[in-house]
Amino acid sequence: SQQGEEDPQALSIQEGENATMNCSYKTSINNLQWYRQNSGRGLVHLILIRSNEREKHSGRLRVTLDTSKKSSSLLITASRAADTASYFCAPHPGANSKLTFGKGITLSVRP
Amino acid sequence: GAGVSQSPSNKVTEKGKDVELRCDPISGHTALYWYRQSLGQGLEFLIYFQGNSAPDKSGLPSDRFSAERTGGSVSTLTIQRTQQEDSAVYLCASSLAEGFGYTFGSGTRLTVV
Repeated sequence: SQQGEEDPQALSIQEGENATMNCSYKTSINNLQWYRQNSGRGLVHLILIRSNEREKHSGRLRVTLDTSKKSSSLLITASRAADTASYFCAPHPGANSKLTFGKGITLSVRP
Repeated sequence: GAGVSQSPSNKVTEKGKDVELRCDPISGHTALYWYRQSLGQGLEFLIYFQGNSAPDKSGLPSDRFSAERTGGSVSTLTIQRTQQEDSAVYLCASSLAEGFGYTFGSGTRLTVV
C-alpha cells in the first residue's frame, strides 16, 4: 500500500482566489482520488482520475495527474468560504490493494 | 440505504469495557474499509474487506481490535478492554468495486473515560 503526501499542510486564501493543492506518491497506481472532510467527520469523494488520464474537471475542480513525476494537483477555482475543509489525496495501487490517506491539507477560505 | 450508515454516532465508554461499532454499507458495495482518525490527524487504516476474499487486517493496532463482515454486508468493529488511546472517530467506507470512489459514513466518535 502507499499513501499520498499532500502539500502544503495548510493553505489560507481569500474568497474568489484559486486554491492549488499537491499530492505526491511513491509507486505505480491504478487511479488517484481526492476527498474533502468537513469538521472531522466522514470524507466526501470529490474526483477520481485514472492512471491513463492527465486531467479531469468537475465543476470548479480541476485535477491533473503526472504519472512520470508521481504527482497530482487539485485546483479549486473561484473559491468560496464553504470550501473551507481538509482535503486528502488517496493514490490507489489497484487490484486488492487498500486505499490509504495522508495527513491532508487544511484549506481556509476567508470571506 | 442511500448512504453508508454508522452507529452509534457517539459512544462514551469506561476504560476496560468492550465496545461494538456498526457499519451498514451501501447495498451491493463489495469493498468495505474501517479507518480511525484522532483529533487533527489523518486517517489510519484499520481493516479492509473485499468481496469473499480474506480481509486485510494489517492495520489493526492490537489484538484487542477485531472486525467481521456478515453476509458481505453489515460490518462490526469490536474493541475489547478499551483504553484511553482508543478515543477517536471511527470511519467506515464502502465502494462498488475497485476503480470507483469510496462513500464514507459520518463516523462514530468514541470517547474512553
